[in-house]
Formats: sequence, structure tokens, C-alpha cells
Amino acid sequence: TQLLEQSPQFLSIQEGENLTVYCNSSSVFSSLQWYRQEPGEGPVLLVTVVTGGEVKKLKRLTFQFGDARKDSSLHITAAQPGDTGLYLCAGGVHSGYALNFGKGTSLLVTP
Amino acid sequence: EPEVTQTPSHQVTQMGQEVILRCVPISNHLYFYWYRQILGQKVEFLVSFYNNEISEKSEIFDDQFSVERPDGSNFTLKIRSTKLEDSAMYFCASSEAQRSYGYTFGSGTRLTVV
Repeated sequence: TQLLEQSPQFLSIQEGENLTVYCNSSSVFSSLQWYRQEPGEGPVLLVTVVTGGEVKKLKRLTFQFGDARKDSSLHITAAQPGDTGLYLCAGGVHSGYALNFGKGTSLLVTP
Repeated sequence: EPEVTQTPSHQVTQMGQEVILRCVPISNHLYFYWYRQILGQKVEFLVSFYNNEISEKSEIFDDQFSVERPDGSNFTLKIRSTKLEDSAMYFCASSEAQRSYGYTFGSGTRLTVV
């Protein structure tokens, strides 16, 4: 099982601040996905990255896949209280069907 | 927007009883999955299902677990004899294509074994 380490585990910031969360592994992934999960709900897909070095933007969220396809980052610009939630990264490998999830970064944005 | 529907949302069962968790995946999706999340822990893969057969399963998915797609729309997870440690959120997911594409997850079934 390829392990994904997410950091920081918890992050509490004020509205308007910028932040970056990280997802790291010693394994190479064929794709990496970011999800957001609310308490008691299933993960909701934000983005999938598949190419090393790829950068994708989703409004104020910027996702980057590392050149070696072992790591990824999520940057949020001007965070808003609505961004509060658990951010999960999940990696897939060519040889399998399963996604390996990280433990997540719990983000709290206060007004 | 299409969604994955799971029923029931909550299930309480006695240890040793059988439970069936139900899911209706998105209609044009071909790959189906079950994941679980024990409270406070990470989401864990259980099984994937494609073309009416299991394509991959994890170590967690032992002989007490089974999956079925009985009628072309529903996708079920059966736990034959529940244990206390089976208490978790169980998520069904589906995807149009394999691996590199994102999943759509359902809202989950909270299973409590007492």
C-alpha cells in the first residue's frame, strides 16, 4: 500500500489569508485526486491531476502535481469560511483500481 | 448533477447479524467501489467491481464481505456476520473510467454494530 502523508494535519486561519497544504509520498502515482469532505458526508472530488508538473486552477484553488508524480499541493488564495472542511488527497496506480487516501488536512477559516 | 445514492443512511445492527448496504451508482458509470472510514481514520479501499466481477479487493475485504449488482442499477455490499470493528461509514463510489478519473462518492451509510 502506497502511503500518502498530508500536512499540516490541522490548519486554522482567518478569512482572506492564503494557505498551502501538502500531500507527499515515496511512491509514484499515475494520478492524484483532491477531495473535500464535510462531516458525515462522502468526499467530493475537486480535481484530478495526471501529468507530472501539471497545474490546475479551480477558482481560488490551485493544484499542482509534482514533476516526479510523488507529491502534490493545494493552494487556496483569500480563504473564505465556506472553504472550511477536510481536504483529502488520494493516489491511484496504473496496476490497480484502488485509491489510497491520505488522512487529510482539516481546515478552519474564521470570519 | 448526477449523484450516487446510498441507503440506509444509518444502520444499527447486533453483532453477528448480516447487513446489506445498498447503492445506486450513476447510470453511465462502469466502475463501482466500496470504501469505508472508521471514525477519525482515513478512507480505506474495500473493493472495486467492473463488468460484473470483482476487479480488486483489499485485505479488509475478507470472506465475510461480498458485493453484488443484482439488477443493473443497484450495487450492494453484504457483511455476513458483523463484528464490533465493522462499525464505520461505508461509502459507495462510481466512476466512468478507471483510475485516472475522479470518483463520485455517495453520502455514506453509518453502520453501528452493537
